[in-house]
Amino acid sequence: NAGVTQTPKFRILKIGQSMTLQCTQDMNHNYMYWYRQDPGMGLKLIYYSVGAGITDKGEVPNGYNVSRSTTEDFPLRLELAAPSQTSVYFCASKDPRGATQETQYFGPGTRLLVL
Amino acid sequence: GENVEQHPSTLSVQEGDSAVIKCTYSDSASNYFPWYKQELGKGPQLIIDIRSNVGEKKDQRIAVTLNKTAKHFSLHITETQPEDSAVYFCAASKGSGAGSYQLTFGKGTKLSVIP
Repeated sequence: NAGVTQTPKFRILKIGQSMTLQCTQDMNHNYMYWYRQDPGMGLKLIYYSVGAGITDKGEVPNGYNVSRSTTEDFPLRLELAAPSQTSVYFCASKDPRGATQETQYFGPGTRLLVL
Repeated sequence: GENVEQHPSTLSVQEGDSAVIKCTYSDSASNYFPWYKQELGKGPQLIIDIRSNVGEKKDQRIAVTLNKTAKHFSLHITETQPEDSAVYFCAASKGSGAGSYQLTFGKGTKLSVIP
């Protein structure tokens, strides 16, 4: 299993541009999450999904959109990039059943710089 | 909502010494407390977790203690090694399975183990 993969690893955007951060997991996990991590701060939840077709807002959803058309993929969309969205973005997934129902598995992250 | 405070923000120890990181949480309904290790350029990885029906859990050199009355939990690393150098995050959530959507993270502790 590759686990949780994210692309791209790094991206520079100009203010007002848009982009999609890709996240794919091959563990057949129903739950998926998007977090952002700012320097010296913990991770903050942007959006989450409990299954294909179901998404909900987390703590800091403004400026982002998500979709979940398949179990494997959970892309994060930035429509009008702003400098405040400069951050490292992490995708995570978990299986809400069984012995590891609480464990979230994280991808390697996407570093985004908005200038 | 839940608030998790983590201390210290940085910690330097000599190789072989012990390291202790402490977290407090605000929501008495929280019942799941994981610890994540984040190495440079990588996503967080679960190293140990504890549930509210347990006061202490140990896994080789790593242990976590939980005091529900005081609403704090701690990570203990004994016989530290250079490869323990990383950023450590505590987190808290409530519910289980379908109810445990959101982890609230502390701001992290950068641990440096000096050879």
